[in-house]
Amino acid sequence: GDSVTQMEGPVTLSEEAFLTINCTYTATGYPSLFWYVQYPGEGLQLLLKATKADDKGSNKGFEATYRKETTSFHLEKGSVQVSDSAVYFCARSNAGKSTFGDGTTLTVKP
Amino acid sequence: NAGVMQNPRHLVRRRGQEARLRCSPMKGHSHVYWYRQLPEEGLKFMVYLQKENIIDESGMPKERFSAEFPKEGPSILRIQQVVRGDSAAYFCASSPEAGNHEQYFGPGTRLTVT
Repeated sequence: GDSVTQMEGPVTLSEEAFLTINCTYTATGYPSLFWYVQYPGEGLQLLLKATKADDKGSNKGFEATYRKETTSFHLEKGSVQVSDSAVYFCARSNAGKSTFGDGTTLTVKP
Repeated sequence: NAGVMQNPRHLVRRRGQEARLRCSPMKGHSHVYWYRQLPEEGLKFMVYLQKENIIDESGMPKERFSAEFPKEGPSILRIQQVVRGDSAAYFCASSPEAGNHEQYFGPGTRLTVT
């Protein structure tokens, strides 16, 4: 079945460090790809998305590129802030059904 | 512009009782999804509904769980005869139409079974 595999956490970085969170997905169909962020005690919020191969999603300094050849959608940010500390979920959506990765917890220390 | 609303935010039930979780989608959204998040785990899809129809319930446990999205009113996730293993956060999401669209999530209902 459809699946999304994320880099296991937790990830701990110092402020202004470079962030990469790896995500790969199963290639069945023509999925759209998403990154969501979850802050403590809250629901998921959409961070960015890409709907077709080679699309780049970006928001708040975060970026991810839809790579069909490697079935990947890695999340990157050039300089993280303490406020970026949260759980990040990669997801694929096809025919109305979304499949989420297990989440990666990011902690950014000042 | 109200987002997805869920209530209650926290629900405590004793083993054997029923739990009813409510979800009001964003205005104009007719597609609702329910997910369960166990402690320290990711989101697991449970069910996808449109008004008065269940589209995909492949993630729903076969017994004790049911969901509906009536023509009027919120979507309801119902868990009968709850057990401790049902303790989790239950999230509802909505989207404006079918297809590969982003979903808008509610704040979740945290169910604790004692």
